[in-house]
Amino acid sequence: QQQVKQSPQSLIVQKGGISIINCAYENTAFDYFPWYQQFPGKGPALLIAIRPDVSEKKEGRFTISFNKSAKQFSLHIMDSQPGDSATYFCAARGTGANNLFFGTGTRLTVIP
Amino acid sequence: DTAVSQTPKYLVTQMGNDKSIKCEQNLGHDTMYWYKQDSKKFLKIMFSYNNKELIINETVPNRFSPKSPDKAHLNLHINSLELGDSAVYFCASSWDRLSYEQYFGPGTRLTVT
Repeated sequence: QQQVKQSPQSLIVQKGGISIINCAYENTAFDYFPWYQQFPGKGPALLIAIRPDVSEKKEGRFTISFNKSAKQFSLHIMDSQPGDSATYFCAARGTGANNLFFGTGTRLTVIP
Repeated sequence: DTAVSQTPKYLVTQMGNDKSIKCEQNLGHDTMYWYKQDSKKFLKIMFSYNNKELIINETVPNRFSPKSPDKAHLNLHINSLELGDSAVYFCASSWDRLSYEQYFGPGTRLTVT
């Protein structure tokens, strides 16, 4: 059972456009929601994270929006650049032994 | 001064063979993980060790056996390799078992022919 659902599976955006990736969860015990970025041939790396008591967090061109009542959160990449082309994973931190549940990933391609 | 390193980077082997992948972290972290990433990019946790103690053992065939000689090392041994074992295997580490920030290694691409 997928604890964190992520969409879309792939996304193509023009340079300068806004990329939006959405995630949803059911377990209200999750207490942190990080996003990871993975470039081809590399391991995932933490990009940005948010707590559920915060509705938005911004770091440069990357923004997480969080809707606690809907149990949804999303990553917005403003002014998308070809260098942003990567696979993005949302995740949720639980309290059990397996503390991090990853979404299924979104392959973002930014066209010059 | 790589934070999390894995060897080898590529591994091509035949069905039925036994192989090992090594992982080392120099970050001083207490917790280490093995993940499997398939061709669709799904990331699946396999094992986690906290200070050399096994804390996560997901539903993984017992042909896979992790070993942690000390908290800086977590190796993965695979017996009787099968075609379905072909994937990229990532080692990761974090400060502790509760940390949501995990540092991933560069991955080992395993191809079983």
